[in-house]
Amino acid sequence: EDQVTQSPEALRLQEGESSSLNCSYTVSGLRGLFWYRQDPGKGPEFLFTLYSAGEEKEKERLKATLTKKESFLHITAPKPEDSATYLCAATGANSKLTFGKGITLSVRP
Amino acid sequence: DAGITQSPRHKVTETGTPVTLRCHQTENHRYMYWYRQDPGHGLRLIHYSYGVKDTDKGEVSDGYSVSRSKTEDFLLTLESATSSQTSVYFCAISEEVNTEAFFGQGTRLTVV
Repeated sequence: EDQVTQSPEALRLQEGESSSLNCSYTVSGLRGLFWYRQDPGKGPEFLFTLYSAGEEKEKERLKATLTKKESFLHITAPKPEDSATYLCAATGANSKLTFGKGITLSVRP
Repeated sequence: DAGITQSPRHKVTETGTPVTLRCHQTENHRYMYWYRQDPGHGLRLIHYSYGVKDTDKGEVSDGYSVSRSKTEDFLLTLESATSSQTSVYFCAISEEVNTEAFFGQGTRLTVV
């Protein structure tokens, strides 16, 4: 069975303090690794798709990377508006999109 | 924003009653998914569809059924609602299995 595990569960940063969020996956026949952002009371919002080890995607203060076992979401100089829950998900050979439990990020001014 | 609409947005129902949630898309995407989201569990897949009349079970499918008679509509039915099915339900769509999924705004269901 496919598994996606995210760590830590919660992360508190000072504004400008860079950090990384981890996503470990055990997926047979990885077809895609996805990162989402979710704000309270809303549906997840798509951020990035990664397909193969070594791939990187970047958007503003966020950069996602992928290895054969993990993905990282690097946040550079975060701002309070980056506070949200970040979700990692993966699709494998069984065509099911499996999510991790998410990482709640709080950025203090 | 992707054209995906969930209805109703909020519902309170009694234990033992059947409930149907609707997901409607205007994107003509092949894949549609139903998830539930609960504190401590994250998003868990209930059922998904890979085409009209083609559906498969997710990890928490017991007590739920789905139907997809048209590309644009994916219905989730709770056959006999229980308090453990109180949750926020999200529908998602994706063009292909390896492309990003777009989510609806969610349906908050309370079973009393």
